Amino acid sequence: GENVEQHPSTLSVQEGDSAVIKCTYSDSASNYFPWYKQELGKRPQLIIDIRSNVGEKKDQRIAVTLNKTAKHFSLHITETQPEDSAVYFCAAGVQGGSEKLVFGKGMKLTVNP
Amino acid sequence: NAGVTQTPKFQVLKTGQSMTLQCAQDMNHNSMYWYRQDPGMGLRLIYYSASEGTTDKGEVPNGYNVSRLNKREFSLRLESAAPSQTSVYFCASHLLSGGAVETQYFGPGTRLLVL
Repeated sequence: GENVEQHPSTLSVQEGDSAVIKCTYSDSASNYFPWYKQELGKRPQLIIDIRSNVGEKKDQRIAVTLNKTAKHFSLHITETQPEDSAVYFCAAGVQGGSEKLVFGKGMKLTVNP
Repeated sequence: NAGVTQTPKFQVLKTGQSMTLQCAQDMNHNSMYWYRQDPGMGLRLIYYSASEGTTDKGEVPNGYNVSRLNKREFSLRLESAAPSQTSVYFCASHLLSGGAVETQYFGPGTRLLVL
């Protein structure tokens, strides 16, 4: 089955710096890659996703890139702010196949003012 | 439109006790899921239901049972709780549209402590 690895597990940056979170997946059939943000004590919420027919997607300060050949995808956050502090999860799923998503173990981002 | 709701928000059980976690969604979604979240382990799928009337095991189903009561409701039952089941439980749902894996929406979570 699918296996999603996420690195690093923690990251601390200064406000205004950029942050990058990397994920790898094992199942070449996976073609949907969402990213979730979870603030302390809250539910995970989708922040951006990408499908395998595109290589990059941007939404304001957030961008996601996908390299299908290498089976990895990354989340980029620019101009980080203290409110970006949270745990970020990547996931992988298969369009038209199983309805399941497989999640990475998460990365705790701390943005220091 | 409440989205995905879960009850209770918090529960303390003694080892061996049973309980049912309730989940409901009002978004007319086809698929529903139960995850557990433990520190450093991410979100692990316990059971899921691709559509009303069907349920399937996920990554960590042992010690749990589920019921897809109708399209809206998906419950998770612990028949004999164990301390290893201390965790935060999240229910999620999504609309399967045209074969595409769409966004999963999560409930607020149930924090369970088994003593």
